Amino acid sequence: DVKVTQSSRYLVKRTGEKVFLECVQDMDHENMFWYRQDPGLGLRLIYFSYDVKMKEKGDIPEGYSVSREKKERFSLILESASTNQTSMYLCASSVRGGGSGANVLTFGAGSRLTVL
Amino acid sequence: GENVEQHPSTLSVQEGDSAVIKCTYSDSASNYFPWYKQELGKGPQLIIDIRSNVGEKKDQRIAVTLNKTAKHFSLHITETQPEDSAVYFCAASQHLSGYALNFGKGTSLLVTP
Repeated sequence: DVKVTQSSRYLVKRTGEKVFLECVQDMDHENMFWYRQDPGLGLRLIYFSYDVKMKEKGDIPEGYSVSREKKERFSLILESASTNQTSMYLCASSVRGGGSGANVLTFGAGSRLTVL
Repeated sequence: GENVEQHPSTLSVQEGDSAVIKCTYSDSASNYFPWYKQELGKGPQLIIDIRSNVGEKKDQRIAVTLNKTAKHFSLHITETQPEDSAVYFCAASQHLSGYALNFGKGTSLLVTP
């Protein structure tokens, strides 16, 4: 019954490495999101996408990029990982506005990234 | 943009007691206020939401109240049980606008037997 799948639960990378975090949803949702979760800071939006090949910056996009080549897949890319990017990364999806499910986010289980 | 403040950051209650978590928001255009529960090792999950055309909504032991004038909303959990222990997040946005949710910083609730 898994609906939003994040490919890696735990990753350990070196400073300067390029990191890909993958997210796949099977609910045919139009919207997909990447949040970062840090203790005491809650959930902060990095990037989101309303459609294939479309992306919008969230509150903390610096140091990140995203890719959405297919509707079901949304990738977060750290071009050159740094220690301050050590965090839990959460992917989410939702239907496009207009229905009762609009704005209801379905989250994945998270990817915990450690950058050494 | 929208700024959501959430209090307290930690809350400990005894089983059977009630728990209340409060949030304030800054954007008067916000009209959708969901609450998410995150259990250990899992992603957050929606537990209840409220839209600005109502002042209160209940679902069994949980309820949410909204005061649009004061721009605050609260989550109430009655007859707490150990399985209610989790991190709770409030959020605000403009419903159906397609805008992403703006989350509070979370409340870690511990229910002790």
